[in-house]
This record gives sequence, structure tokens and C-alpha cells, in this order.
Amino acid sequence: EAGVAQSPRYKIIEKRQSVAFWCNPISGHATLYWYQQILGQGPKLLIQFQNNGVVDDSQLPKDRFSAERLKGVDSTLKIQPAKLEDSAVYLCASSRTDITTFFGQGTRLTVV
Amino acid sequence: AQRVTQPEKLLSVFKGAPVELKCNYSYSGSPELFWYVQYSRQRLQLLLRHISRESIKGFTADLNKGETSFHLKKPFAQEEDSAMYYCALSGSSSNTGKLIFGQGTTLQVKP
Repeated sequence: EAGVAQSPRYKIIEKRQSVAFWCNPISGHATLYWYQQILGQGPKLLIQFQNNGVVDDSQLPKDRFSAERLKGVDSTLKIQPAKLEDSAVYLCASSRTDITTFFGQGTRLTVV
Repeated sequence: AQRVTQPEKLLSVFKGAPVELKCNYSYSGSPELFWYVQYSRQRLQLLLRHISRESIKGFTADLNKGETSFHLKKPFAQEEDSAMYYCALSGSSSNTGKLIFGQGTTLQVKP
């Protein structure tokens, strides 16, 4: 089956600019996750969607991060305005309920 | 606090040597434990989960609830095992993508 698709693969922006990442999950996967992975650390969950509803966004910095999953398929994650500490790899993942979770290649964001 | 700890950032062994990647966790309840692997230039992928009790690519991991550990083992390392390994836990068997990850251990298998 086709994997989780993410774009862009790389992004460099200046601090205080805005940026958006896109994710297309595996077909039929109702659950979608966004993770943030800072260099040298393991991934940290930012937000979880079930279809087009938010299940958990407790670790999403809502003053600058937002995410949506219109129509319960694709999702976008936005940062506005970006800070230096937002430099990280942003991973999208999808799954069917309790079945294996599949990860995308990630978007590497560098904020300068 | 819910936490996964991998004490080693780097583990370097020679081909054919045994491997043990350590993982300890802190969680109030009965979590599900996983090992994920990321090979060079590839995406993060599931290696094994404790509930399956299976061996994948020669790797096994036993959940020790008394010691709150889930160490990953392989009796004879191969060069193709070189990768980044992450231990992770989920608090729910019906939401296994909601994961708490450790910091990761780089396994380097030398020829």
C-alpha cells in the first residue's frame, strides 16, 4: 500500500515567518497524528485526529501552532509565527484504530 | 510522570556479537510497549510490540513489569542492523499510535 505522504521535505524560513506542512495519510486510515522531533530527541506527539475531529491536542502550542484535517483525509499543520526552537522534523503518521501506525518521511524545518 | 528512558545514545558492536538495547519506562497503568527502527534515509517503522511476543529480524524484547523494562535483544548482530532504535509506549491498546518515545539509541554494527 502507498505510504504516508508529506510535503515539503525541507523548509528553511526566518523567525517570525509562517509555514505550513501537508500530510496525506494512507487510504482508509481514520486516525492521523502529527509529531515533532527535535534533533537528538524522540518524536513528541503534537496532535491526534480521528477522522476530522481532534482527539488530543494537549501538547500543541496553540498560541502559534494550528492543525486541521478537513474532510477527514489530508491534514495541514501551520506555525505562525515561527521561533528558532521550532526547528525540528515534523512527522505525520496514520493508523486504523489498534493496527500498526505508519509514519511519513517527515518535513525538516529550519528556522533561522 | 509518563516517561521512556533509553540510557545509551550510541551502542557500537562488532558483527556477530550479541546486542542489547536498553529501555526503561515509567507509567501508571498497563502500557503497551514498542520498538521502532529508523534505517538510514528511511522512515520510522515498527519493529515489534510486546503484545505480539514475536521475533522480528532476529530481535526479541521481553516486558519486565517488575523492573519496568523492555530491552531489545539480538544474539548475533548483522551490519544491516545498524540504525536508530526508539522504544515507545502507548497507554491504550485501542490507540497505539499515541506514543511516548524515548530519546533513541544509535546501533552501529562494525564489520
